[in-house]
Amino acid sequence: GENVEQHPSTLSVQEGDSAVIKCTYSDSASNYFPWYKQELGKGPQLIIDIRSNVGEKKDQRIAVTLNKTAKHFSLHITETQPEDSAVYFCAATPQGNNRLAFGKGNQVVVIP
Amino acid sequence: NAGVTQTPKFRVLKTGQSMTLLCAQDMNHEYMYWYRQDPGMGLRLIHYSVGEGTTAKGEVPDGYNVSRLKKQNFLLGLESAAPSQTSVYFCASSHTAGAGANVLTFGAGSRLTVL
Repeated sequence: GENVEQHPSTLSVQEGDSAVIKCTYSDSASNYFPWYKQELGKGPQLIIDIRSNVGEKKDQRIAVTLNKTAKHFSLHITETQPEDSAVYFCAATPQGNNRLAFGKGNQVVVIP
Repeated sequence: NAGVTQTPKFRVLKTGQSMTLLCAQDMNHEYMYWYRQDPGMGLRLIHYSVGEGTTAKGEVPDGYNVSRLKKQNFLLGLESAAPSQTSVYFCASSHTAGAGANVLTFGAGSRLTVL
């Protein structure tokens, strides 16, 4: 089955700087790659996703890039703000599969 | 408010006791899932359902049972709770196809402690 790994496990950034979280996956058949944000005491919430027919997708201050050859994808957060502090999960799944394989999560801390 | 509702939010059990977690969604989603979240382990799939009356095992199904008698509800049962089942449990749901396929909507979580 699919195996997803996230690096680094914890990331601290100064407010206003950029944050990058990278995930690697093992199954070359995977074609859907979402990112979820989990705030303290809440359930994860989808913030951005990308499918394998594109290499990059942006939504305001967040973006996701995909490198299918190297089997990795990354979340980029620009101009970080305190409300960006959270745990971020990446996931992957092959087409037609109804189960996401999640990474273990990254704790992002934005220092005011 | 549309979404996924989990009850109860908190529960403390003694070893050997049984309990049921209830998940309800009002988005007419076909797929429903139960995950557990433990420190450093991420989200692990316990059981899932692809439609009313169907269930399937996920990554860590031992010690749990599930039922999907109605499309909007997905129940997670612990027949004989063990301390290793102390965790935060999340229910999620999604559409089967189209732009919503694989897009999970999560509940707020149920924190279970087994003494």
